[in-house]
Amino acid sequence: GAGVSQSPSNKVTEKGKDVELRCDPISGHTALYWYRQSLGQGLEFLIYFQGNSAPDKSGLPSDRFSAERTGGSVSTLTIQRTQQEDSAVYLCASSSRQGTDTQYFGPGTRLTVL
Amino acid sequence: AQSVTQLGSHVSVSEGALVLLRCNYSSSVPPYLFWYVQYPNQGLQLLLKYTTGATLVKGINGFEAEFKKSETSFHLTKPSAHMSDAAEYFCAVSPSSGGYQKVTFGTGTKLQVIP
Repeated sequence: GAGVSQSPSNKVTEKGKDVELRCDPISGHTALYWYRQSLGQGLEFLIYFQGNSAPDKSGLPSDRFSAERTGGSVSTLTIQRTQQEDSAVYLCASSSRQGTDTQYFGPGTRLTVL
Repeated sequence: AQSVTQLGSHVSVSEGALVLLRCNYSSSVPPYLFWYVQYPNQGLQLLLKYTTGATLVKGINGFEAEFKKSETSFHLTKPSAHMSDAAEYFCAVSPSSGGYQKVTFGTGTKLQVIP
């Protein structure tokens, strides 16, 4: 497809379980971002990938959160031992470079931790 | 360092009235500025952006924003609100120089349009 896709669209899990969220960026985009959107909290930056450079992980809230980007394309955000406070919408975005370039967002994955 | 402040988490306007959504930023270098819109259950999409040149920027759906350096503001306006404008709007800033240009988003303003 032409846009950023994310899967699953919804995920319900039990506290303590691990979850994986997937992002397929626009083909050719070298920059990829993960954000978390909690109710009333706006967009919280999580992690940023740019080409082959080391990712900026400064936004990851704890060591339970990790992400990887394979082959410079698809990215997976993993949350281990999920907690109820992890419930949120997780948004992925990609852009052709960084800074000035428009970020194209996926529809998000709504995560609910029971 | 950079930050964005959006005044008013919720704004209500009547259909046909002026829309004004406020955004103030701080940046240690000249900024690039963005407005994104998020419709219910969708991702964000770009409305408009300022990089260089003309300080009045026109975007999609009749929106525009003016970069005012002296006021460190980038307010979003639309002369006449339409019901379809009901959404959440995010202001964002990134530095125009430096080796790493992370975009920082504001907390968003939900726009309600009253018929």
